[in-house]
Amino acid sequence: DGGITQSPKYLFRKEGQNVTLSCEQNLNHDAMYWYRQDPGQGLRLIYYSQIVNDFQKGDIAEGYSVSREKKESFPLTVTSAQKNPTAFYLCASSIGGLGNTIYFGEGSWLTVV
Amino acid sequence: GENVEQHPSTLSVQEGDSAVIKCTYSDSASNYFPWYKQELGKGPQLIIDIRSNVGEKKDQRIAVTLNKTAKHFSLHITETQPEDSAVYFCAASGTASKLTFGTGTRLQVTL
Repeated sequence: DGGITQSPKYLFRKEGQNVTLSCEQNLNHDAMYWYRQDPGQGLRLIYYSQIVNDFQKGDIAEGYSVSREKKESFPLTVTSAQKNPTAFYLCASSIGGLGNTIYFGEGSWLTVV
Repeated sequence: GENVEQHPSTLSVQEGDSAVIKCTYSDSASNYFPWYKQELGKGPQLIIDIRSNVGEKKDQRIAVTLNKTAKHFSLHITETQPEDSAVYFCAASGTASKLTFGTGTRLQVTL
């Protein structure tokens, strides 16, 4: 099946640790995105990549890092510098870049314990 | 940058009634307006979208209207069913600009 796969679905992190969320897509989409979702708020853009080996900061990039070494993969690392990392993280992709229809994965829940 | 406001934050309707969710946007250059449905614990799913060269678009029980002059767009769901219960998000973007989301509307369809 074509789609966007995020893993793990649930992740617990101790304070001070870095964690990496995986995102893989087999839709042959050029662009990929990471969003953060908090209760009562909309989706906020963390990072996006419109092409392999290139990515840009979104609205809330501080404390996060990404890489785009392969077209189908866009992992997100939540670093210890992120002060409030507990949230629902959503990966997405689109055929073209910004302004095109984006499709979401099923999300990953990150909890800091 | 773009700012999208969405109302209401919660909406309760009886099964069979219609539901309307409204959004306003600030950037007059925005030309793409998708709507997403999100069920609990899942990723948002695109249900309908509209571009600024069209004033209305329908897909079975769902319709979206766009008023570019007033900078607002709305989602209309007719003959609501219990499976329509979810959180709905509107969004707006212009060419080569990022998608900005509203804060969501929790729709509950009661029997």
